[in-house]
Amino acid sequence: QKEVEQNSGPLSVPEGAIASLNCTYSDRVSQSFFWYRQYSGKSPELIMSIYSNGDKEDGRFTAQLNKASQYVSLLIRDSQPSDSATYLCAVNIINDMRFGAGTRLTVKP
Amino acid sequence: DADVTQTPRNRITKTGKRIMLECSQTKGHDRMYWYRQDPGLGLRLIYYSFDVKDINKGEISDGYSVSRQAQAKFSLSLESAIPNQTALYFCATSDTGSTGELFFGEGSRLTVL
Repeated sequence: QKEVEQNSGPLSVPEGAIASLNCTYSDRVSQSFFWYRQYSGKSPELIMSIYSNGDKEDGRFTAQLNKASQYVSLLIRDSQPSDSATYLCAVNIINDMRFGAGTRLTVKP
Repeated sequence: DADVTQTPRNRITKTGKRIMLECSQTKGHDRMYWYRQDPGLGLRLIYYSFDVKDINKGEISDGYSVSRQAQAKFSLSLESAIPNQTALYFCATSDTGSTGELFFGEGSRLTVL
């Protein structure tokens, strides 16, 4: 089992819809969780971080964490074509960050 | 200018050649990392360093070595490149005491023929 798993997609949603991205992790000692966005040919950039169970909202983005289920998700409300990118889930395990393979999201106008 | 700079940005080389990828940062961070990215596999950690005298192996360190020449500089070497080291390589930094947010360089695309 991979340490961090994501559906590879592609996930396609119409403009204005909610995009839901999911991630599971295997190491119960993980304490910090991140979502990075990566446009094609570019480097990853942090869009959300979450450390405790529950929801964290930042603009159109909501991160959700459930440590008991070892599950973290990202919701993008009112999706825009500019949100089309690969979204990487990352989990901080002791001294290093482990990444999922990423979910490619396409938002169609 | 980018806070985390990688050179070269693109490199094509032949099997058996020695290659060095360099990373420098102006963010003042102590921690530096080298990742490699392959399609369908995400980012995998090669080596990381928490200060100038600290070097640690990541999950895929075989075939690679690193040098932390200064707080701001962290280089990755492939002593004898092989085709399956063809990948996109990212350098990243983070701040000691932070919750782990990584700041990435623009990437170095390496092709080994």
